[in-house]
Amino acid sequence: NAGVTQTPKFQVLKTGQSMTLQCAQDMNHNSMYWYRQDPGMGLRLIYYSASEGTTDKGEVPNGYNVSRLNKREFSLRLESAAPSQTSVYFCASTTGQASDTQYFGPGTRLTVL
Amino acid sequence: GESVGLHLPTLSVQEGDNSIINCAYSNSASDYFIWYKQESGKGPQFIIDIRSNMDKRQGQRVTVLLNKTVKHLSLQIAATQPGDSAVYFCAEPAPSGTYKYIFGTGTRLKVLA
Repeated sequence: NAGVTQTPKFQVLKTGQSMTLQCAQDMNHNSMYWYRQDPGMGLRLIYYSASEGTTDKGEVPNGYNVSRLNKREFSLRLESAAPSQTSVYFCASTTGQASDTQYFGPGTRLTVL
Repeated sequence: GESVGLHLPTLSVQEGDNSIINCAYSNSASDYFIWYKQESGKGPQFIIDIRSNMDKRQGQRVTVLLNKTVKHLSLQIAATQPGDSAVYFCAEPAPSGTYKYIFGTGTRLKVLA
């Protein structure tokens, strides 16, 4: 099992460009998440999907959209990138049951110039 | 531990010594806790978890202690090795039904040769 995979690993954008970060998990998990992590700071939740067909905002959703394409895949889209969105983005998944571990992907390092 | 802005608390430990990393949590109703290890440039990696009906749980070279009275978790790493150098943070599921998790900002462990 690959666990949680993310593409791309690195990306550089110019202000105003758009892009989609891809995430997939092969653990048959119900819930998936997108976080951003800035230097020296903790993880901040952007959006999550408790189950296939649902998505909800986290604490920092502005400037982002998500799509739960199917049970395996959860994508994050930046419609018009801004320098403030320079960050490392992590996707995570969990079974969705109470008291269960979240598993993380390797991250996408995004720089917006 | 708490972190302010870019300054993660740092624990420096001599190779071969034991390390103790602490975490305070706020929700007395929390019943599940997770420790993650995050190496530079990588995603958070699950280390060990503990449920609230336990005070102690041991893994390979790691032990987690839970003190519910003072809402405190600790991660003990025995015979610390250079490969243990990373940021360690605790996590707990947010209040029931939200599917979210609460993450500590983390402690940086530096292993001195």
